[in-house]
Amino acid sequence: AQKVTQAQTEISVVEKEDVTLDCVYETRDTTYYLFWYKQPPSGELVFLIRRNSFDEQNEISGRYSWNFQKSTSSFNFTITASQVVDSAVYFCALGSGGSNYKLTFGKGTLLTVNP
Amino acid sequence: DAGVTQSPTHLIKTRGQHVTLRCSPISGHKSVSWYQQVLGQGPQFIFQYYEKEERGRGNFPDRFSARQFPNYSSELNVNALLLGDSALYLCASSLSTANYGYTFGSGTRLTVV
Repeated sequence: AQKVTQAQTEISVVEKEDVTLDCVYETRDTTYYLFWYKQPPSGELVFLIRRNSFDEQNEISGRYSWNFQKSTSSFNFTITASQVVDSAVYFCALGSGGSNYKLTFGKGTLLTVNP
Repeated sequence: DAGVTQSPTHLIKTRGQHVTLRCSPISGHKSVSWYQQVLGQGPQFIFQYYEKEERGRGNFPDRFSARQFPNYSSELNVNALLLGDSALYLCASSLSTANYGYTFGSGTRLTVV
């Protein structure tokens, strides 16, 4: 069975601080995909990144960066110099090669960036 | 290009009633999936349809059903509504499988009273 754990329920930071959102996953598949989505108050899930299990290179996109470590089954997300507009709920999700029709989501982390 | 569109945006129903939620995928996307998101939780998979056939079903009772039409739009039906069915219902479309990533709609907020 697949499982995604986001241990941080809520995080509150002051603008311009760096913040890291943790994600730990469980799967028995050797081929799988990891995702991060952002959910603003409007409710729509906004796709941020997709990584496959064979690519452990870290990725940076502007103020966002992701650290994928298979050895610890983690896929952490860092926002550098946070802004108020980053306030949202962030979800980590797992798509497994064995059941490629669905994503398994974590419970999400509510990030609040205060001015 | 239009994104994934869902209707209605909000809905209030009484226990025992039936509800139909609708979703139009992004043009060219042949796969539609439905997720239920209860307040404070992550989305839970309900169904995926690809080329009008059911590809997968989550752990939901038979009161939940869905279908996909020739134009790839989809309906989610829920019968005999319970208070616990109150949630945000998200539709997502993708080119094929979930592993390529979904584009989600803004959802339908269902309240059962």
